[in-house]
Amino acid sequence: GDSVTQMEGPVTLSEEACLTINCTYTATGYPSLFWYVQYPGEGLQLLLKATKADDKGSNKGFEATYRKETTSFHLEKGSVQVSDSAVYFCALSDRPDSNYQLIWGAGTKLIIKP
Amino acid sequence: GAVVSQHPSRVICKSGTSVKIECRSLDFQATTMFWYRQFPKQSLMLMATSNEGSKATYEQGVEKDKFLINHASLTLSTLTVTSAHPEDSSFYICSARDSGRVGTEAFFGQGTRLTVV
Repeated sequence: GDSVTQMEGPVTLSEEACLTINCTYTATGYPSLFWYVQYPGEGLQLLLKATKADDKGSNKGFEATYRKETTSFHLEKGSVQVSDSAVYFCALSDRPDSNYQLIWGAGTKLIIKP
Repeated sequence: GAVVSQHPSRVICKSGTSVKIECRSLDFQATTMFWYRQFPKQSLMLMATSNEGSKATYEQGVEKDKFLINHASLTLSTLTVTSAHPEDSSFYICSARDSGRVGTEAFFGQGTRLTVV
């Protein structure tokens, strides 16, 4: 079945460092891909998404490119801030119908030190 | 953008009592909502799929008599933890997708931190 694999955390970086969180997937067809962020004690928020190959999603300085050839959707940011500390989840949807849940990666905790 | 409101955000209850958590879609209709449980430092575990006007679909290992789900309207689903015990303490999150649109992301409630003492 479909699945999402994320790099294990925690990932600890210093402020202003470059960030990459790897995400690869297996799916039949052409899924939509998402990154969600969960700040401490809160629910999840959509960070960015891409719905077809070569699309680049971007938001708040983060970006991820839908790579069909490598089945990847790595999250990147050029200069992280302490406020970016959170848990990041990669997810996919292989059905356009809204009545199906997303398929989730395990999440990667990001810790940014000042 | 679409908003899902979950209430309460925190609740402390005594063992043996029941707790109801509400999940509302504020500006869209959702024929299906999802209830997740999240253990510390772990990912989301889908508990059940809530279907408007019909019975919920529970994941394997989730007790349907303990976690009662009611989806009474296109904008409201409730999760009731019955006869709560300390091991039910967890972070519960609901999500919904807009039934009227294709290919949209899921929107999440703020989550409910349940502590059973």
